[in-house]
Amino acid sequence: DAKTTQPTSMDCAEGRAANLPCNHSTISGNEYVYWYRQIHSQGPQYIIHGLKNNETNEMASLIITEDRKSSTLILPHATLRDTAVYYCIVRSPNTNAGKSTFGDGTTLTVKP
Amino acid sequence: GAVVSQHPSWVICKSGTSVKIECRSLDFQATTMFWYRQFPKQSLMLMATSNEGSKATYEQGVEKDKFLINHASLTLSTLTVTSAHPEDSSFYICSASTGSNSPLHFGNGTRLTVT
Repeated sequence: DAKTTQPTSMDCAEGRAANLPCNHSTISGNEYVYWYRQIHSQGPQYIIHGLKNNETNEMASLIITEDRKSSTLILPHATLRDTAVYYCIVRSPNTNAGKSTFGDGTTLTVKP
Repeated sequence: GAVVSQHPSWVICKSGTSVKIECRSLDFQATTMFWYRQFPKQSLMLMATSNEGSKATYEQGVEKDKFLINHASLTLSTLTVTSAHPEDSSFYICSASTGSNSPLHFGNGTRLTVT
């Protein structure tokens, strides 16, 4: 599976949009982009995933560039409870039942 | 839907003893589950892939005789840390997905402290 690069940390003001970038320049044609987050001392939580089209759900939006070499996770109105480590993962559907390797992620701190 | 339950949420044991951690998929069947370990301020490290009815597949550097994995049913995988030592103290997390193109769902983790 392709490797991803994310900034180590980011801050965001409460109520503003949080835009978290991810670089996956070596992504293959059938690999999906997945986003998870981990709030302190809890198991990770799935947020959203996509292949090439932009995706939106109740938690976030995922914007994937046309060349698919990077993506941005958008939390439209960040709250203090969105403070967490956010992980971007690239994975092929052929990967053994979802086997995923985690990088270091981005620590997002939402400030009042 | 797609809930993964992990038990216990924390455990303290003495050096040299063994500890078993359970991971259950509550509302779906999981032929494959994954076990991760996480040290403080670090990312999740994949330890092994647990396969129902067959042997687990361990990542490089993970001792299979120390971390015993049993996946006897489609909804239960167990990780036993044998002869635990203080350096095994960590946060252990299991996960599973409902299909190869589906997201992973994670348990809430088990905090193991070996004294």
